[in-house]
Amino acid sequence: NAGVTQTPKFRILKIGQSMTLQCTQDMNHNYMYWYRQDPGMGLKLIYYSVGAGITDKGEVPNGYNVSRSTTEDFPLRLELAAPSQTSVYFCASSLGLGAKVETQYFGPGTRLLVL
Amino acid sequence: AQSVAQPEDQVNVAEGNPLTVKCTYSVSGNPYLFWYVQYPNRGLQFLLKYITGDNLVKGSYGFEAEFNKSQTSFHLKKPSALVSDSALYFCAVRDMSPGGSYIPTFGRGTSLIVHP
Repeated sequence: NAGVTQTPKFRILKIGQSMTLQCTQDMNHNYMYWYRQDPGMGLKLIYYSVGAGITDKGEVPNGYNVSRSTTEDFPLRLELAAPSQTSVYFCASSLGLGAKVETQYFGPGTRLLVL
Repeated sequence: AQSVAQPEDQVNVAEGNPLTVKCTYSVSGNPYLFWYVQYPNRGLQFLLKYITGDNLVKGSYGFEAEFNKSQTSFHLKKPSALVSDSALYFCAVRDMSPGGSYIPTFGRGTSLIVHP
């Protein structure tokens, strides 16, 4: 298993540009998550999904959109990039069995710089 | 509501000495608690978790954590630190009471630096 994969690893965007961060998992996990990590701020949840076709906002969703058309893929879309979106983005997944305790599996991250 | 605090931004320890990385939490009901580690330029990796039962939980790479309900703490420990343990450590909590979130909340992270 490759686990959770993310592309690209690094990207520079100009203000106002758009891009999609890709995330794929091959563990047949139901739950998927997008986090951003800023220095000294820990992880902030952007969006999450509990299954194909179901998504919900996390703590910091403004400026982002997601979709979940398949179990494997959970892309994150930035429509109008702003300097405040400069960050490292992590995708994660977990099995999703309701009451069971979930261990999250993280991808290697995408480092985004908006200039 | 659930929250977690890691009171130290950085912990410094000499190689061979015991280490402790602190974590305290707040939940309405019973907590599920996690520790993750992040090495430079990598994603987070699961270390250990507390669900119920023994208060001392053993995890990967010789780490263990002690759950203390009265002090609402879940400190990460290791008897003898290695230079290779230097990394960023995250504590996370999930409130398992009815109506609690099934999304864990992460702390801000603690940078562990082990000196040779």
